[in-house]
Amino acid sequence: DVKVTQSSRYLVKRTGEKVFLECVQDMDHENMFWYRQDPGLGLRLIYFSYDVKMKEKGDIPEGYSVSREKKERFSLILESASTNQTSMYLCACRWGNSPLHFGNGTRLTVT
Amino acid sequence: SQQGEEDPQALSIQEGENATMNCSYKTSINNLQWYRQNSGRGLVHLILIRSNEREKHSGRLRVTLDTSKKSSSLLITASRAADTASYFCATARGSNYKLTFGKGTLLTVNP
Repeated sequence: DVKVTQSSRYLVKRTGEKVFLECVQDMDHENMFWYRQDPGLGLRLIYFSYDVKMKEKGDIPEGYSVSREKKERFSLILESASTNQTSMYLCACRWGNSPLHFGNGTRLTVT
Repeated sequence: SQQGEEDPQALSIQEGENATMNCSYKTSINNLQWYRQNSGRGLVHLILIRSNEREKHSGRLRVTLDTSKKSSSLLITASRAADTASYFCATARGSNYKLTFGKGTLLTVNP
């Protein structure tokens, strides 16, 4: 089974802080994704990466950036956290066009 | 706007009953997938149905796809309390099989 590990389950940050959310997968999958999940809005794609150093914007990339220096690690960066970025963040990976494997999520609160 | 929309938003049934959830979408798809999410956790893939398939089974799960109506249904038979979770449909479109999720159906199975 694919294991997707997100570094923190819960995170509390202050407005204006730079925030790093880390995600590591153990199956050499080339595709990795960051979603955010909000009540009533479902999952929305922030960014995805199809290879090392490659990235593409998803549906809501504003206020976020990503980094993929190694195949197994995909980081989501909030350059200057704002309260409207309080959310559940979910990382996922997949091989080719196969279904997604998700991590357990990071619940971020920005105060 | 969301590509997939689940219906109903919430469903409460007794153990042993069947649960049916529906998903509608707007544009042509490569495949449609159903995921499950336990409270506070990541999503887990349940079943995938390709656009040229009409029905698929996996254990107590039955998925149907009607591309003419742009809709799918997920049936869970003989439900158990452990089936309590949120269920999401996701549609895969385009050459990169971009996945778009609906807002989910919250299923509660009462013992």
